[in-house]
Amino acid sequence: DVKVTQSSRYLVKRTGEKVFLECVQDMDHENMFWYRQDPGLGLRLIYFSYDVKMKEKGDIPEGYSVSREKKERFSLILESASTNQTSMYLCASSPTGKKGTQYFGPGTRLTVL
Amino acid sequence: AQSVTQPDIHITVSEGASLELRCNYSYGATPYLFWYVQSPGQGLQLLLKYFSGDTLVQGIKGFEAEFKRSQSSFNLRKPSVHWSDAAEYFCAVGAAGGATNKLIFGTGTLLAVQP
Repeated sequence: DVKVTQSSRYLVKRTGEKVFLECVQDMDHENMFWYRQDPGLGLRLIYFSYDVKMKEKGDIPEGYSVSREKKERFSLILESASTNQTSMYLCASSPTGKKGTQYFGPGTRLTVL
Repeated sequence: AQSVTQPDIHITVSEGASLELRCNYSYGATPYLFWYVQSPGQGLQLLLKYFSGDTLVQGIKGFEAEFKRSQSSFNLRKPSVHWSDAAEYFCAVGAAGGATNKLIFGTGTLLAVQP
């Protein structure tokens, strides 16, 4: 089975802190994604990566950056956390050969105080 | 622009009753269509997908969905709901000719199941 793991299930940070959310997949997938999920808004794509060191902005990249130094790991960085970044963050991975089929991690619920 | 609409935010059904969750999409070309389910405290799991061919697709857990191009719809159905089906359901559309596996998700429908 494909496994996507996220470093934390719950995280509490202070406004202005730099926050790292880590995602690791074990199936050698080329594509990886970061979403945030908010009630009534569904999933919104923050960034995605289709190869090591490659990244593209999604629909809501402001306030976020990403890093993909190794194929299995995709990190989401909040350079200076703000209260409006309190949300559920979901990571997903997908092999290029399976159009649109994404495998999700369990999510990280981030609270910024 | 691509978009997905799930008009029902919240649905309650009785256990054993049939279920239909609505999904409408907007996309200029042939879409790839998906239904994902999110159980409480979990990530999303793929229920079923439509790429081409037979417009009625079968998925896991007894779910099916029908692609209707004329109505731009991809509704999810189940003939008899179980209490364990209580979850949030997301419809998604992907670009058939796209170079990446990006998806556009709907806002979700939260399903409650009454005993």
